[in-house]
Amino acid sequence: DAKTTQPTSMDCAEGRAANLPCNHSTISGNEYVYWYRQIHSQGPQYIIHGLKNNETNEMASLIITEDRKSSTLILPHATLRDTAVYYCIVISNFGNEKLTFGTGTRLTIIP
Amino acid sequence: DVKVTQSSRYLVKRTGEKVFLECVQDMDHENMFWYRQDPGLGLRLIYFSYDVKMKEKGDIPEGYSVSREKKERFSLILESASTNQTSMYLCASSPGLRDTQYFGPGTRLTVL
Repeated sequence: DAKTTQPTSMDCAEGRAANLPCNHSTISGNEYVYWYRQIHSQGPQYIIHGLKNNETNEMASLIITEDRKSSTLILPHATLRDTAVYYCIVISNFGNEKLTFGTGTRLTIIP
Repeated sequence: DVKVTQSSRYLVKRTGEKVFLECVQDMDHENMFWYRQDPGLGLRLIYFSYDVKMKEKGDIPEGYSVSREKKERFSLILESASTNQTSMYLCASSPGLRDTQYFGPGTRLTVL
């Protein structure tokens, strides 16, 4: 399994873009990058995923570097409700591999 | 919308009791998962199931068993609860093993 490294915590001002980095330097060609978040006292919530192209949906954008060794999740206009722990996960697209959640980044949105 | 429900939000049990945690999903997903979450350790996979009556061990299966008799229901069983099993337990389901997982709200279990 590719391992991921994320900062333990980050702050972001409300209304600004929150940029959450993730390193996955041992990622292999068939592994996707997934992002989930967990708001306090709730189950994790899927945000976005990608393989090598940048992706955007109604929640966020995912930027994956050309060498795929790192990625950045962007919340374009952070609100107080975006305060959560954000998990970056890599997983293969075949086989019986399971999701492995690390400890994530605790993002705090400051009013 | 996918809905994953868990039988209890909070549960308090005594050491040695047999504990059942139930999870139900309403989207006909093939795969279901049980995790536990502890401060500083993130989510750790206990067991998962990719079909009815099929199960696979996750990273920390010791002290737990599971049951999947129907596609929509996945049960986690603590045969003899211990204090080190005090934790938040999260259930998830997904259509395929590597597809997006949808989580339930969690059960906070305290074993006294």
